[in-house]
Amino acid sequence: AQSVAQPEDQVNVAEGNPLTVKCTYSVSGNPYLFWYVQYPNRGLQFLLKYITGDNLVKGSYGFEAEFNKSQTSFHLKKPSALVSDSALYFCAVSAPLSGNTPLVFGKGTRLSVIA
Amino acid sequence: EAQVTQNPRYLITVTGKKLTVTCSQNMNHEYMSWYRQDPGLGLRQIYYSMNVEVTDKGDVPEGYKVSRKEKRNFPLILESPSPNQTSLYFCASRGGDRLYNEQFFGPGTRLTVL
Repeated sequence: AQSVAQPEDQVNVAEGNPLTVKCTYSVSGNPYLFWYVQYPNRGLQFLLKYITGDNLVKGSYGFEAEFNKSQTSFHLKKPSALVSDSALYFCAVSAPLSGNTPLVFGKGTRLSVIA
Repeated sequence: EAQVTQNPRYLITVTGKKLTVTCSQNMNHEYMSWYRQDPGLGLRQIYYSMNVEVTDKGDVPEGYKVSRKEKRNFPLILESPSPNQTSLYFCASRGGDRLYNEQFFGPGTRLTVL
């Protein structure tokens, strides 16, 4: 069965500094990987995804993520954090070889950007 | 505007009183799903539907029912709610049958069962 681990419950970063939110996964075969963001009192919003091809994926709001097959990781990054980036971030994985296996989410990482 | 709507947004009820949370999408998506979000557990899938009249269990289906009589609607039914079903619930939809298509989420329904 596929799984996702987000090893940090909370990440704190100063505004203007680079940020990284970590994600590792476990699937059979090649994964589809996603990052979603949840702002307070809102539903999840899609940020970016990896399907195949270039390991560096660019998404919304200046975020990007790097797929690393050997380390089974898909870390979310941004070169310069904004206070408005403070939110709850979820990594998720699905695997085409698993048929209709649902999208599996990590437990989430709360990002706090301090002015 | 393309969106997923849920009603109600907030609900406080008592143990055993049947309730329905509605979900509707206006994007003509085939796939719809219900999740619950609990602190420290992330999102867990309750039920999903690949199309009209096709539903299947997710990871935590016990105590829930769903139906998919129309493409746009996917209500979540709690026949006899219990306090352990107190949670934040999200409905989501996805276009097509491709696992790599992103899901669109509703705003959430915060349910408290006393």
